[in-house]
Amino acid sequence: DAGVIQSPRHEVTEMGQEVTLRCKPISGHNSLFWYRQTMMRGLELLIYFNNNVPIDDSGMPEDRFSAKMPNASFSTLKIQPSEPRDSAVYFCASSLGLAGEFFGPGTRLTVL
Amino acid sequence: GESVGLHLPTLSVQEGDNSIINCAYSNSASDYFIWYKQESGKGPQFIIDIRSNMDKRQGQRVTVLLNKTVKHLSLQIAATQPGDSAVYFCAESNTGTASKLTFGTGTRLQVTL
Repeated sequence: DAGVIQSPRHEVTEMGQEVTLRCKPISGHNSLFWYRQTMMRGLELLIYFNNNVPIDDSGMPEDRFSAKMPNASFSTLKIQPSEPRDSAVYFCASSLGLAGEFFGPGTRLTVL
Repeated sequence: GESVGLHLPTLSVQEGDNSIINCAYSNSASDYFIWYKQESGKGPQFIIDIRSNMDKRQGQRVTVLLNKTVKHLSLQIAATQPGDSAVYFCAESNTGTASKLTFGTGTRLQVTL
């Protein structure tokens, strides 16, 4: 299995631009998680899906952030408009039921 | 005010010695715990997990101990190797909340030669 796949691996954009991060979970997993990691705040859960349905989005910082999971094999996290304080590494993770979450390699986002 | 970044506790261990990394959790309702290893530039990697009906679980070179009375979790690494150098996170969840994990701030393990 290829594991959790994320794209792009690195993204540099200017303030105000739209950013879309993509994730392909491990085949067969029914839960998908989006995390953000920064030196200031550590690892934060933004949102998670179970069977493609958003369960808890209380970690989403504000309305500029949105996430979708149109099917079991694909999810996006969108930031519009982006701001410099959104600069972070964004991880996608997936799991099956109560199994431990398996993380992707992350997308390093830099907003200038 | 001025923002301060997270200060990760650091554990320095000599190669070949055993390492013990500790974690205190806060939610007494948590019943599932995981240890993760994160190397520089990579995502967290699952190491070992334990459920609350157990107090010890062993893997390859790693052992997790759970003390529910004092809400304490530890990870023991036997014969620590340079490749073990990383940040280690504990994570907890209440499985009644659909596997949502809460992560600790992490401990940096430095293995010296």
